[in-house]
Parts: sequence; C-alpha cells; structure tokens
Amino acid sequence: DIVMTQSPDSLAVSLGERATINCKSSQSVLYSSNNKHHLAWYQQKPGQPPKLLIYWASTREPGVPDRFSGSGSGTDFTLTISSLQAEDVAVYYCHQYYSSPLTFGGGTKVEIK
Amino acid sequence: QVQLVQSGAELKTPGASVKVSCKASGFTFTSYGFTWVRQAPGQGLEWMGWISARNANTNYAQKFQGRVTMTTDTSTNTAYMELMSLRSDDTAVYYCARGGRDHCYYHMDVWGKGTTVTVS
Repeated sequence: DIVMTQSPDSLAVSLGERATINCKSSQSVLYSSNNKHHLAWYQQKPGQPPKLLIYWASTREPGVPDRFSGSGSGTDFTLTISSLQAEDVAVYYCHQYYSSPLTFGGGTKVEIK
Repeated sequence: QVQLVQSGAELKTPGASVKVSCKASGFTFTSYGFTWVRQAPGQGLEWMGWISARNANTNYAQKFQGRVTMTTDTSTNTAYMELMSLRSDDTAVYYCARGGRDHCYYHMDVWGKGTTVTVS
C-alpha cells in the first residue's frame, strides 16, 4: 500500500498569511501512460463531506478560489493557501489514486492564529 | 444540480449487515464510477472500494474483501454499499463519491453528505 504522510499535523496561520501543507508518498504516484501525478487534495470542514480542491497534483477544481494551489512531483507534494481566510479553517487531506488501495494522508488541521 | 443523496443514519447490532444507498442526480449515472470512503469518529478518511456504473466492475480494498458488496441500479441511478458482519469499529460516517467510470484511479469530485452507521 502507498503510505501518504502529511506534515504538519496542524498549523495556525494569521489571516492573510500563507499556509503550506506537505504530503509525501511512499512511492511515486506519476502514471507514465498519461504523465500525470495521481494526487488530489481535499478540504473537510466539521460535519461536512470532503471537498475536492486540487487534482492531478496541480489542477484546481472549478469554483475553488485561486488562493489554493498544488505543486510537487514524484513523491513530494504541497498544498499552498496563499492568503488564509477565515473560511479556510478545516482539515486538509492529500490522496493518492495511483494504486489500489487508494489511500489518504492523515490530515492537517488549519486554524487561525 | 449534480448531487449524491445518501440514505439515513443506521443503528446496528454487532454481527448484523447494513446497506447504504447513494442516489445520483444531475448527471449521466453510467458515465461514472462510485467510490465508498468511511471516516470513524475523529479519524481520517479510509477508502473502501469502487464500482463502475457502466459495467458493475468493482475494486475493493483488501481489508474489506469478503465483507463488502458494492452494487448499482441503473434504473434508479443508485449505488449501494453493503457491509456485513458488523463490528463496533465499523462505527463511522460512510460517504459515496463520484469517480472514474472505467477504473478507480481517478479523483472524486462530487460527494454525498454521508451516512452515519453506529454499531452497538
């Protein structure tokens, strides 16, 4: 199974400041036949289902604010919130859909400092 | 609008089975597959498996093999997940999500609100 390791477990950021979440996969999630990283990021607020933010490691889902961006390659990926807003308080999960069983990182809780 | 509507909360005794439904609307059901993900109280997300609505192919997580059955009903645009031999550690919120049509190696872009299953 591919293990997804997120860091940090939690972080507190001031409003308007940058938040950076890291995700490391135990093996590459780059699929050679389509040259895409099978890596997504989800946001989950309390009592709500996860919401897709980023897929193929860096493609923003339509309707997601452009302050959210994804980057990385191979086994190391990053979700960046360029200017944290109050509504961004949530838990964020990375997710690999490269091989079965699909797996998720343990989550990173983002709070306001 | 595009949505997945899940069935209501369930309370089950250990050893029983539960069948959760996920009714799709606003899109062509057979153009997608459906993934089931669960989340135990205060815990992270766990992938259970996937089913194609086009041909009913499935891919189950090894952990649930033999205990889970995923099906679809194209006449009602509904996906189902049945989990048998329930244990207390199956207590969780169960989500369905829209994914790839032909394989499970696709991101999940639409999620149901979740169904709480309590085993006690």
